[in-house]
Amino acid sequence: ETGVTQSPTHLIKTRGQQVTLRCSSQSGHNTVSWYQQALGQGPQFIFQYYREEENGRGNFPPRFSGLQFPNYSSELNVNALELDDSALYLCASSLSTGVGAFFGQGTRLTVV
Amino acid sequence: QKEVEQDPGPLSVPEGAIVSLNCTYSNSAFQYFMWYRQYSRKGPELLMYTYSSGNKEDGRFTAQVDKSSKYISLFIRDSQPSDSATYLCAMIGYSGGGADGLTFGKGTHLIIQP
Repeated sequence: ETGVTQSPTHLIKTRGQQVTLRCSSQSGHNTVSWYQQALGQGPQFIFQYYREEENGRGNFPPRFSGLQFPNYSSELNVNALELDDSALYLCASSLSTGVGAFFGQGTRLTVV
Repeated sequence: QKEVEQDPGPLSVPEGAIVSLNCTYSNSAFQYFMWYRQYSRKGPELLMYTYSSGNKEDGRFTAQVDKSSKYISLFIRDSQPSDSATYLCAMIGYSGGGADGLTFGKGTHLIIQP
């Protein structure tokens, strides 16, 4: 098992609501990335935080936002939830390059 | 055309067989190539990664990268039922600006028959 932990493991929300997902990174890792994995698909890069600053973003709208804290833990916030946001959300921690990232077990979000 | 192509399978092989899993890609900027294993309803687990072209071996697993053909492979020797999972290839390059994140294939669902 990796040292990356995510909470909660499962979540059900209603369309239009807001959600916050949390991630604790592996000790010694200063970079956290978030990914969205739809059923039957590979993970899609949402964004990356390095030393509390967003330093990379995939093709996701601004209603997906995040934070990284001084202890390198992180949050993913999604506003105005849509049905298509239903997916497994994965947090990955790594050193600054992002190579060899370790993933958490994910948060399964269902939007109804 | 997707940046990374991976046959989703399922690929079913008998126990003890050699398994070959492959990905092709289109972005010549990719420099690091990774293989992850994902069990159902779990997060991806890093198996190994390589830089640029060449081979890398770790136990029963061998990763190969051919940048000239934009083709990467993972071989599993002496396959076991516990190897049954989805195998994801992932790649990353650096544009010189911000981080681009990992680009994944769709994953290949592998079944090892006892």
